[in-house]
Amino acid sequence: AQTVTQSQPEMSVQEAETVTLSCTYDTSESNYYLFWYKQPPSRQMILVIRQEAYKQQNATENRFSVNFQKAAKSFSLKISDSQLGDTAMYFCAFTYQGAQKLVFGQGTRLTINP
Amino acid sequence: KAGVTQTPRYLIKTRGQQVTLSCSPISGHRSVSWYQQTPGQGLQFLFEYFSETQRNKGNFPGRFSGRQFSNSRSEMNVSTLELGDSALYLCASSPGGPFSGNTIYFGEGSWLTVV
Repeated sequence: AQTVTQSQPEMSVQEAETVTLSCTYDTSESNYYLFWYKQPPSRQMILVIRQEAYKQQNATENRFSVNFQKAAKSFSLKISDSQLGDTAMYFCAFTYQGAQKLVFGQGTRLTINP
Repeated sequence: KAGVTQTPRYLIKTRGQQVTLSCSPISGHRSVSWYQQTPGQGLQFLFEYFSETQRNKGNFPGRFSGRQFSNSRSEMNVSTLELGDSALYLCASSPGGPFSGNTIYFGEGSWLTVV
């Protein structure tokens, strides 16, 4: 079975600080994608960043970057220069070839304080 | 370009009733997926359709069903509603499906409350 685990239910940092959210996954698949989604109070899921498993280079999108450790099955999200608008639930997700679905972690509630 | 549109946004139903939720994907997207989000179970996959064919189904009872039309619009139906069906139902669309490498776009969800 494919599982995604987010070990931090809640996190809180001050504006402009850097924060890292943790995610581990379990799979026997070799061909897969990993994602981080953000869900603000509006509840719409917004893609933050995506990583292809076959790529060794860590994905980066502006202030968001990942640390993808394939052997350790770890996929953490780093948010630099955090902003108030980053306050949201963050979900780590995973899909693999043939799955046609996303498997989500339980989420981390991130609060950015002014 | 319009996003993923879900209707209705909010609804209240009584136990035993049935409900139909609708999802209009982004124009040109042929894959539509449905997810149930609850505080206790988190986000769980319901089913995925591509070109009117169900390609995958999650571990939900047969009371949960769906379909996709030729214009890619999708509906999901829940019959004989139970209190535990109260949830946010999210629809997602993409050009080719979750593993195609395309970005998956989500709608704002339909909030279902069963009383």
